[in-house]
Amino acid sequence: DTGVSQDPRHKITKRGQNVTFRCDPISEHNRLYWYRQTLGQGPEFLTYFQNEAQLEKSRLLSDRFSAERPKGSFSTLEIQRTEQGDSAMYLCASVWGGTQYFGPGTRLTVL
Amino acid sequence: TQLLEQSPQFLSIQEGENLTVYCNSSSVFSSLQWYRQEPGEGPVLLVTVVTGGEVKKLKRLTFQFGDARKDSSLHITAAQPGDTGLYLCAVRESGGYQKVTFGTGTKLQVIP
Repeated sequence: DTGVSQDPRHKITKRGQNVTFRCDPISEHNRLYWYRQTLGQGPEFLTYFQNEAQLEKSRLLSDRFSAERPKGSFSTLEIQRTEQGDSAMYLCASVWGGTQYFGPGTRLTVL
Repeated sequence: TQLLEQSPQFLSIQEGENLTVYCNSSSVFSSLQWYRQEPGEGPVLLVTVVTGGEVKKLKRLTFQFGDARKDSSLHITAAQPGDTGLYLCAVRESGGYQKVTFGTGTKLQVIP
């Protein structure tokens, strides 16, 4: 399968813990986006990378959130000191020809 | 205020029925996209409409872009259980970093 992959698919953590998610985009796709989706809602933009450069961040991305794409390939999204309000699906998408290809997401539950 | 409002929010119908989902905004867009998202998966692009009044068909799905390019509709004929999912309209920035802004979503359940 050469689609976008995300790991883990599910993460349950206790409030205050740190979590890290990984996204592997489709190879050759140099643009990568992170989105957050709460239950029954549409995804909301979090941040954007072109190659290794993080070019845009939403104000939804508080200082507890950090994202990296160190070699312009895979990306990580880290949440520090998780809060219950961080519970959501975190989606990654890579882009080719204007079309966003989404991964299956990581479902985060903060207890 | 949401940029893209979808209606209805939820729809539960019997297999074989027809349905229409709406996506409305007060803004004018150069193009509009529709996605379908199945439970536990990411959204999948169905279609992009770019011209006011444009109609596109994808098997039993018919997409229309409003004449003023502020709204769009998705009509499904003879719905099947496989059509179950969250339907999202979205707009992509034409310049800048081309991030996608999604609508509020319509959750469709087709009962066999």
